[in-house]
Amino acid sequence: DSGVTQTPKHLITATGQRVTLRCSPRSGDLSVYWYQQSLDQGLQFLIQYYNGEERAKGNILERFSAQQFPDLHSELNLSSLELGDSALYFCASSVRGSTGELFFGEGSRLTVL
Amino acid sequence: GQQLNQSPQSMFIQEGEDVSMNCTSSSIFNTWLWYKQEPGEGPVLLIALYKAGELTSNGRLTAQFGITRKDSFLNISASIPSDVGIYFCAGQLGTAGNKLTFGGGTRVLVKP
Repeated sequence: DSGVTQTPKHLITATGQRVTLRCSPRSGDLSVYWYQQSLDQGLQFLIQYYNGEERAKGNILERFSAQQFPDLHSELNLSSLELGDSALYFCASSVRGSTGELFFGEGSRLTVL
Repeated sequence: GQQLNQSPQSMFIQEGEDVSMNCTSSSIFNTWLWYKQEPGEGPVLLIALYKAGELTSNGRLTAQFGITRKDSFLNISASIPSDVGIYFCAGQLGTAGNKLTFGGGTRVLVKP
């Protein structure tokens, strides 16, 4: 158990819909990261927050947005969903914002039909 | 953008044998990390390397940070069935933010 909690574990929705994925970091970790894992693209970095502020951005689509709240939990919002958005979405956390030593949650599997 | 090429893409292991996998990049990284992912779970950090030439062990796992900063390898000695999973290398360039770049993974399977 990494200490990072993600909900929901599985989500099935239709094209055009909007979903929100939730992440609670390990106790004491200030930084939260979101990654997308699909079969053909591997693990892709989406976005990082540190203590409520956006720290780094990867190849995150404009239809996607994220935020980190004062209690340090984070949400990833995916809108106008397309079939290609079907993937595993991982949240990870770390104490420092600059480390590569991340603790990953179990992921949220999104299926868009 | 930066790309990490991992090889082999998959391999079969027989209990007791040593196996090796590597990761190469077209550009340099300042940090190399190796993660393992098992079915239904997120990646778990195995080893982190911070200095060119560094050789670090974690139990039966040994990893090295290449001198050129463009490659890394991971060895598993005396493999056991629970070594099955997908092993990912990851590189980090700077300290401003995270931006880990992951390789495509090496899938380790048990020989039937």
